[in-house]
Amino acid sequence: GDSVTQMQGQVTLSEDDFLFINCTYSTTWYPTLFWYVQYPGEGPQLLLKVTTANNKGISRGFEATYDKGTTSFHLQKASVQESDSAVYYCVLVNYNQGKLIFGQGTKLSIKP
Amino acid sequence: EAAVTQSPRNKVAVTGGKVTLSCNQTNNHNNMYWYRQDTGHGLRLIHYSYGAGSTEKGDIPDGYKASRPSQENFSLILELATPSQTSVYFCASGRQNTEVFFGKGTRLTVV
Repeated sequence: GDSVTQMQGQVTLSEDDFLFINCTYSTTWYPTLFWYVQYPGEGPQLLLKVTTANNKGISRGFEATYDKGTTSFHLQKASVQESDSAVYYCVLVNYNQGKLIFGQGTKLSIKP
Repeated sequence: EAAVTQSPRNKVAVTGGKVTLSCNQTNNHNNMYWYRQDTGHGLRLIHYSYGAGSTEKGDIPDGYKASRPSQENFSLILELATPSQTSVYFCASGRQNTEVFFGKGTRLTVV
């Protein structure tokens, strides 16, 4: 069945550092991929969407790309800020069943 | 702004008791979902629904039932709560294969 694997459970960076988070996915359908972000005390919210049509999404300084050859997708930001501290989830859309499959999440902590 | 409201926000239940978690959405979305969130597992899908009267099993349905009496409301029911069901539960709504909108979550502790 469809699956998403997110290996980096925790990432600690300093302000202005470069952020890179990687996920791998498996699906028998054309993939539509999301990145969700969750702040403390809140539910997850959509950060970016990436499809086979555009291969890339950009929002709030974050950029998401995917590589069909390696079935992986990435989230990156050139210069993180303390306000970016949150948990980031890669998400695969299962078109057949109309449901979202979440990775395990990456907790980003920014040292002041 | 899409609105999903969960109640209660916090709940302590006794082992073997019945627990009902409620969710209301005012977005007129057909699809609604219940997820649980645990450290190391991310969000896992328990049950979901395509519309009033429909419920479908997600990836971890054992020990849970769901009810969708109307477009707006979707409940998660634990008939016999166990300590392993201690978790944070999130309800979400959305249209087919597009962004889903989450509530703020319900923290359930089973003692």
